[in-house]
Amino acid sequence: AQSVSQHNHHVILSEAASLELGCNYSYGGTVNLFWYVQYPGQHLQLLLKYFSGDPLVKGIKGFEAEFIKSKFSFNLRKPSVQWSDTAEYFCAVTRTSYDKVIFGPGTSLSVIP
Amino acid sequence: KAGVTQTPRYLIKTRGQQVTLSCSPISGHRSVSWYQQTPGQGLQFLFEYFSETQRNKGNFPGRFSGRQFSNSRSEMNVSTLELGDSALYLCASSWTGDEKLFFGSGTQLSVL
Repeated sequence: AQSVSQHNHHVILSEAASLELGCNYSYGGTVNLFWYVQYPGQHLQLLLKYFSGDPLVKGIKGFEAEFIKSKFSFNLRKPSVQWSDTAEYFCAVTRTSYDKVIFGPGTSLSVIP
Repeated sequence: KAGVTQTPRYLIKTRGQQVTLSCSPISGHRSVSWYQQTPGQGLQFLFEYFSETQRNKGNFPGRFSGRQFSNSRSEMNVSTLELGDSALYLCASSWTGDEKLFFGSGTQLSVL
């Protein structure tokens, strides 16, 4: 069965530190990959997505992610975090042809001013 | 454009009861997915409806069911509630189901 794992349950960083959140998926075929973010008290919203093409994708608020097919990974990065990045981050995957979107367990990020 | 609307926002039920949750997708979206969110478990996929048909189903017991109406509005029903059903139930809509999802605020269900 398709599954998504995220390396860290909770990450604590100081402002201006660099961020990398790990994500691995189990499906071996063609996939669509996503990172979603849930800020405190807000809806889940899309940060970025990868469907095809350049494996380095850029999203909103300075986030980027790199798809490494050989490692089944889609890690999220940001060079310098801000307090406002405090949120829960979810990696998600779906196969093409209208399959269900499966989410990872999430990583809670706390940024200390 | 109005976002995804879920009602009610909060629900308190007792074990053994049943509950119905409602989701109105963004206008024009034909796919509606339901997720159960609990601390530590993340989002667990329940089911997805597209044009009134259940297209995908997660690994939940048959007590969890859903349907979609011709206007794309969707409902999910949980019968014979158990304490473990306490969770935030999220609805998400999209044009076709495998691209960007738009989430509602969720219904927080507490089972006592």
